[in-house]
Amino acid sequence: SQTIHQWPATLVQPVGSPLSLECTVEGTSNPNLYWYRQAAGRGLQLLFYSVGIGQISSEVPQNLSASRPQDRQFILSSKKLLLSDSGFYLCAWSVYSYNEQFFGPGTRLTVL
Amino acid sequence: GQQVMQIPQYQHVQEGEDFTTYCNSSTTLSNIQWYKQRPGGHPVFLIQLVKSGEVKKQKRLTFQFGEAKKNSSLHITATQTTDVGTYFCAALTAGYGQNFVFGPGTRLSVLP
Repeated sequence: SQTIHQWPATLVQPVGSPLSLECTVEGTSNPNLYWYRQAAGRGLQLLFYSVGIGQISSEVPQNLSASRPQDRQFILSSKKLLLSDSGFYLCAWSVYSYNEQFFGPGTRLTVL
Repeated sequence: GQQVMQIPQYQHVQEGEDFTTYCNSSTTLSNIQWYKQRPGGHPVFLIQLVKSGEVKKQKRLTFQFGEAKKNSSLHITATQTTDVGTYFCAALTAGYGQNFVFGPGTRLSVLP
């Protein structure tokens, strides 16, 4: 069966510090991968998606970046965090873009 | 870009009462999905609708896709405390490279 992992579960970082969040998927090959951000009590905002290794599409211009160094690994990064980067970051995968998405447990990021 | 609206934003019901949330799009959709997110958790896929006028049932949950494929609804009969959470619709428009756009969600509280 397929499993999706995210770490860390929670993170508190000072403004201006770097960020690296990791997501890995098990039990499937060549998945579509997604990074979402959810502000407190709000909906899901798609940040990045990837249909293959090294292929990243950005939905929202910002100080975040994403990379997919391996088929089932998706990384969200920032060189300098802003206060507005606080939120709940969710990684998800799907077989194709029109299929259901399976979400990881998420990372709660607080930027102070 | 595509906008997906959901109403109401919040709904408080007494246990045993019915609940309905509506999802509306400014464009004609090819697919619509529904997800549930428990407090502190991650979104979990419930169902996908693809046909005009389609109705699907899952126990006490009834999902409907509008005839014009611009709106959808989720109806819960006789709510239970386990129904608490936020219900999101996610809409997909036709066209290569499109991704699902999530609505802002409806937060359901069920009072015992």
